Amino acid sequence: AQKITQTQPGMFVQEKEAVTLDCTYDTSDPSYGLFWYKQPSSGEMIFLIYQGSYDQQNATEGRYSLNFQKARKSANLVISASQLGDSAMYFCAMREGRNTGNQFYFGTGTSLTVIP
Amino acid sequence: GAVVSQHPSWVICKSGTSVKIECRSLDFQATTMFWYRQFPKQSLMLMATSNEGSKATYEQGVEKDKFLINHASLTLSTLTVTSAHPEDSSFYICSARDREQFFGPGTRLTVL
Repeated sequence: AQKITQTQPGMFVQEKEAVTLDCTYDTSDPSYGLFWYKQPSSGEMIFLIYQGSYDQQNATEGRYSLNFQKARKSANLVISASQLGDSAMYFCAMREGRNTGNQFYFGTGTSLTVIP
Repeated sequence: GAVVSQHPSWVICKSGTSVKIECRSLDFQATTMFWYRQFPKQSLMLMATSNEGSKATYEQGVEKDKFLINHASLTLSTLTVTSAHPEDSSFYICSARDREQFFGPGTRLTVL
């Protein structure tokens, strides 16, 4: 089974609107971390937000928030007030266990295009 | 935050030659580094886990003799693509572990 599933290959959003990028995960480990990365055309992976499996509250970082629904095993990324510079690929990732050196499992990504 | 660099950022080579890509942790010591490969419009695929002072652990389907990994120091891991062919053209990204994992900017390899 896929560890991380992103079902939206491409998304469009109007500038200044909010957008939700979907991510579901699969693990039997009670301890895990969920990450979202942005990859612009330059290729670098830019860390956006992190949610730990034991965190009680949804993570927020500026315009980014993570809608963490543990029972449904979903970790959707919400971008508020979209900007043209948000156009990029977005990857959801998971790391199992407590060891920060454990490998990441990446989803297939969602290409977001912000329309002026 | 911690910084990971890669060199070169892009390289073009002829088929049959070998190419070395360096991954450096600039302000921390990394006992573990990861090498990923990314084809256009696809996700990152883990190739191998590089541990300082020991042999790398390769993912299934990755040829050890073709993708040589050396992690000789706590700040440097190298990936050498031996006898490169056009199908090896890809974007190669490394990540290094401190308390967290940090990604390098990537190396774009084009084999003619």
